[in-house]
Amino acid sequence: NAGVMQNPRHLVRRRGQEARLRCSPMKGHSHVYWYRQLPEEGLKFMVYLQKENIIDESGMPKERFSAEFPKEGPSILRIQQVVRGDSAAYFCASSPRTDPTDTQYFGPGTRLTVL
Amino acid sequence: AQKITQTQPGMFVQEKEAVTLDCTYDTSDPSYGLFWYKQPSSGEMIFLIYQGSYDQQNATEGRYSLNFQKARKSANLVISASQLGDSAMYFCAMREGNTDKLIFGTGTRLQVFP
Repeated sequence: NAGVMQNPRHLVRRRGQEARLRCSPMKGHSHVYWYRQLPEEGLKFMVYLQKENIIDESGMPKERFSAEFPKEGPSILRIQQVVRGDSAAYFCASSPRTDPTDTQYFGPGTRLTVL
Repeated sequence: AQKITQTQPGMFVQEKEAVTLDCTYDTSDPSYGLFWYKQPSSGEMIFLIYQGSYDQQNATEGRYSLNFQKARKSANLVISASQLGDSAMYFCAMREGNTDKLIFGTGTRLQVFP
C-alpha cells in the first residue's frame, strides 16, 4: 500500500527556469494539498485540489505559481521563472475526503534549490 | 494572531524519560481537529496523532498521547519512554471545520540523549 509519492526528491533550477513538481496521492485518496516549508519554518498551505478542480488556492502566490490535478495522472505544482526565494521544500499531502477529522498524509517532499 | 503556537524551539530529554511538547491554538470554530507530525532529519512528515474537538477522551497512539485541555486551548504531545529515534522536529497543526487546510506551528526540535 504505497504512500504519497513525490518526484523529484531534489530539484535544482537556475533563476528564470521552470520547476515542475509531481505528486501521486495514496490509493483511494481524491484530495490533494500542497504546502511549502521555508528553512527553519513550519509548513504553509498553498493549494487544495480535487480531480480536475482547484478548491482553495488562497495560499498560492498570485504570479508564477499554478497547480493542477488532472483526471489521469499526478498532481503538478508548476513554478515559472523561479527566483531564489522559491528555494524551499514543497510537500504534497492527500486525504480520502474533506472533513476536520480526516488525516492528511504527506509525501517525502521535493527540495527545490534555485541557483 | 497566531493560530497555532509552539513556544519551545528546542527540548532535551534523556532516553527512557517522558517529555511534553507544548501547543496552544486559537479558533472560534467549535469544530476543529488537532494533529501532531514528526519531521526527522531526513525531511519527511510523519503523522503521529489526532484529536477532534468533540472527542471526550484524550487521544493515544502507542507511546504518544495528546493532553487535550479544551478550555485552555492546549493540545500538548506527550511522548513516553523516549528513544533516540524520537529526535526530530515536531509540528502541531490545526484544521478548522470550515476550511480544508492545515495550519502549522513553528515546531519544536526534540533531542533525545543517552
